[in-house]
Amino acid sequence: QVQLVQSGAEVKKPGASVKVSCKASGYTLTDHYIHWVRQAPGQGLEWMGWINPNNGGTNYAEKFQDWVTMTSDASISTAYMDLRNLRSGDTALYYCARTILQGAGTYGLDVWGQGTPVTVSS
Amino acid sequence: QSVLTQPPSVSGAPGQRVTISCTGSSSNIGAGYDVHWYQQFPGTAPKLLIYGNTNRPSGVPDRFSGSKSGTSASLAIAGLQAEDEANYYCHSHDSSLGGSGVFGGGTKLTVL
Repeated sequence: QVQLVQSGAEVKKPGASVKVSCKASGYTLTDHYIHWVRQAPGQGLEWMGWINPNNGGTNYAEKFQDWVTMTSDASISTAYMDLRNLRSGDTALYYCARTILQGAGTYGLDVWGQGTPVTVSS
Repeated sequence: QSVLTQPPSVSGAPGQRVTISCTGSSSNIGAGYDVHWYQQFPGTAPKLLIYGNTNRPSGVPDRFSGSKSGTSASLAIAGLQAEDEANYYCHSHDSSLGGSGVFGGGTKLTVL
């Protein structure tokens, strides 16, 4: 069974960093791009970026360019999203998702993690 | 303001057909990037309904169909059922943003 399992809920203070993990099972992590998408409470989906776990290549949304880092470790089939200098506006549910097809980052996202709630509060 | 524009809400009676539009521009949908559609119920992760403009993943009923023309795309739901009441999002990429992904603002479908 193909699935992505994310790390648990996080509570952080403003200015802190958070690192969310996304463990793949049932398929080879390096075969599909991993995207990160977040959803603030009561809001829509916001695309953050993708990583190609095969070579570490990334594409970040302009908004997150200076404060997000996406990485992966194929040996443990896990992708990571590191967000720095957190603000209250970063309070959201963070999802990882994989592309349905191999070879590019522009495909639809067919398998999603369960989401990781991140709360930023002083 | 989302790069892809969707109506905030649509509604229909059971058995009817509804469509949800996703309007983009020459740098995203009009540039040839594929459009994908997701269904999301409150408290759950999005589910892929349509990928590559018109393709359904296995398990998605053929009541759901997608189309694309010019700078816009549409999701059609035929034979509306109460269980279709959810939020729907379109997704594509944009060349003016370095190929970054973009989502529509989402459409709430209400089954009357």
